[in-house]
Amino acid sequence: AQSVAQPEDQVNVAEGNPLTVKCTYSVSGNPYLFWYVQYPNRGLQFLLKYITGDNLVKGSYGFEAEFNKSQTSFHLKKPSALVSDSALYFCAVSRIKAAGNKLTFGGGTRVLVKP
Amino acid sequence: DGGITQSPKYLFRKEGQNVTLSCEQNLNHDAMYWYRQDPGQGLRLIYYSQIVNDFQKGDIAEGYSVSREKKESFPLTVTSAQKNPTAFYLCASSIRTSGGEIQETQYFGPGTRLLVL
Repeated sequence: AQSVAQPEDQVNVAEGNPLTVKCTYSVSGNPYLFWYVQYPNRGLQFLLKYITGDNLVKGSYGFEAEFNKSQTSFHLKKPSALVSDSALYFCAVSRIKAAGNKLTFGGGTRVLVKP
Repeated sequence: DGGITQSPKYLFRKEGQNVTLSCEQNLNHDAMYWYRQDPGQGLRLIYYSQIVNDFQKGDIAEGYSVSREKKESFPLTVTSAQKNPTAFYLCASSIRTSGGEIQETQYFGPGTRLLVL
């Protein structure tokens, strides 16, 4: 079985400060890891993914994430947060060669960026 | 939200009624998925389809049914057997994996919110 934990329900940060959203995962074998963002009453937008290679992955809107195999973590980061980054963020995991391309999502972390 | 459309945006269901949620994509993706989103629980997989005329149950398939008669379309029916249908329903699509070597990104539609009268 595979699982994802996002330990913080909400993260508050001042505009211009660094933003970190935490994610840890559990999966047998090598993982595929994803981050998505959701704005109110909208679908999920893909931000970035880790498949293999460099542990630091760069994605859309200035976001990046660092894969840490020993700590089974894939934290999302942004050096300088914007008010428009306020949204719900989801981490997801799948196992390499998983049947059906099935993703398991974390419970989500709400980010609030204050001016 | 790319080339995936979901309709309607809001849907109301009466007791004992079946309702169908539409999902259409023009991305030429082989695989399509239905998720249910409840507050604080993330997304849970209902059904998925890797190819036309074939689909598989996800983690919470009870009370739901699907069909995949065309590559572009993957409608979800919420049956009267689903006792707690109020949720936000999301459809997604991706390139079908070949032998599982590549995990392709899933792209999501804008969602349908289902409410019970």
